[in-house]
Amino acid sequence: GQNIDQPTEMTATEGAIVQINCTYQTSGFNGLFWYQQHAGEAPTFLSYNVLDGLEEKGRFSSFLSRSKGYSYLLLKELQMKDSASYLCAVNDDYKLSFGAGTTVTVRA
Amino acid sequence: GAVVSQHPSRVICKSGTSVKIECRSLDFQATTMFWYRQFPKKSLMLMATSNEGSKATYEQGVEKDKFLINHASLTLSTLTVTSAHPEDSSFYICSARDAGLDYNEQFFGPGTRLTVL
Repeated sequence: GQNIDQPTEMTATEGAIVQINCTYQTSGFNGLFWYQQHAGEAPTFLSYNVLDGLEEKGRFSSFLSRSKGYSYLLLKELQMKDSASYLCAVNDDYKLSFGAGTTVTVRA
Repeated sequence: GAVVSQHPSRVICKSGTSVKIECRSLDFQATTMFWYRQFPKKSLMLMATSNEGSKATYEQGVEKDKFLINHASLTLSTLTVTSAHPEDSSFYICSARDAGLDYNEQFFGPGTRLTVL
């Protein structure tokens, strides 16, 4: 089966940096996605990695190491609106398997 | 970006009734749509993959006779929860893949909150 692990909760201060780690063991791999989800809403796309390395998109960056089965999402210059759940999802044969999500709370 | 809509956004029904949820891709064609279920503070669990013009593929443990999926066109998939019970209360989310893209991204609908009394 698919096994995708990420921390349950993280708390950080406004303006700070937070790194959310994700490790995975899946039967196949066609890329890894990070999504942001606010309570009661659908996930919104943040980033996609299919090759090793760092992808940077404004305040958000995502890193992938396929040999280690590891990814992280880096959130810089945290804002209050970044308080949400962050989901790591592995694409296996066009199906997404999601981690349980990391709830990030940003405090003033 | 691509837009996916869901209708209704919220539904409350009595136990034993059936509920239909629609998922539409508004500005692209989706040969494949996915249906997920999410319980409170849990992650999204894939229920089934809906392919236009063919039968849906259900994940292990998902009853195909209870969760009927129809993907009649390239822009519409429906999920019908038959004989709903309180344990079916959940947040149902659909997503769609753009047939015109090589990219594997799925575009998510806004979700449907189902409450069965």
